[in-house]
Amino acid sequence: AQKVTQAQTEISVVEKEDVTLDCVYETRDTTYYLFWYKQPPSGELVFLIRRNSFDEQNEISGRYSWNFQKSTSSFNFTITASQVVDSAVYFCALNGRAGNNRKLIWGLGTSLAVNP
Amino acid sequence: EAQVTQNPRYLITVTGKKLTVTCSQNMNHEYMSWYRQDPGLGLRQIYYSMNVEVTDKGDVPEGYKVSRKEKRNFPLILESPSPNQTSLYFCASSSPRGQNTEAFFGQGTRLTVV
Repeated sequence: AQKVTQAQTEISVVEKEDVTLDCVYETRDTTYYLFWYKQPPSGELVFLIRRNSFDEQNEISGRYSWNFQKSTSSFNFTITASQVVDSAVYFCALNGRAGNNRKLIWGLGTSLAVNP
Repeated sequence: EAQVTQNPRYLITVTGKKLTVTCSQNMNHEYMSWYRQDPGLGLRQIYYSMNVEVTDKGDVPEGYKVSRKEKRNFPLILESPSPNQTSLYFCASSSPRGQNTEAFFGQGTRLTVV
């Protein structure tokens, strides 16, 4: 079975702190894709990053960075120098394979509160 | 601007009154799907469509119907809504370039059935 676990339900930090959101996944597929989405208080889902299973390079985009480790089935997300605007629910997702269905398998999300 | 548009954004309805949530994308994507988001359960797929006239059930299809008569539109139909369908609904589309493409999501429709 495929599964995504985000063990941290809620995190609260003070502005400018660094924060890491954990994501652990399970899949039997050798080829798979991992994603992070942000859901701000307004409710929409905003794509942040995708990573395929063959690319274990870490990625940095501004204050955001991602650490993908196949050995531990983890795809963690770090926000450096957090800001109040980073307050949102963050979802990790796995692209499952059920025939041609490109269903995303979602973690339950981590609610991040960045306080001034 | 590339986007997925859902309407309405908010809807309060009564049990049993048929409703349709529309979804339209302007990116010529073949693949579209519907998810519902519930506290403690996350996002779950309701239905998906690989192309025009090709639809199939996701994980939680009971009580819902869909149609895909045109490539750009993928409406979600609740023939007889019930309170347990109160949820936040998202329509998504993605390109035909394989599983590594991200899904684009609509703004969400918050449905309350009383």
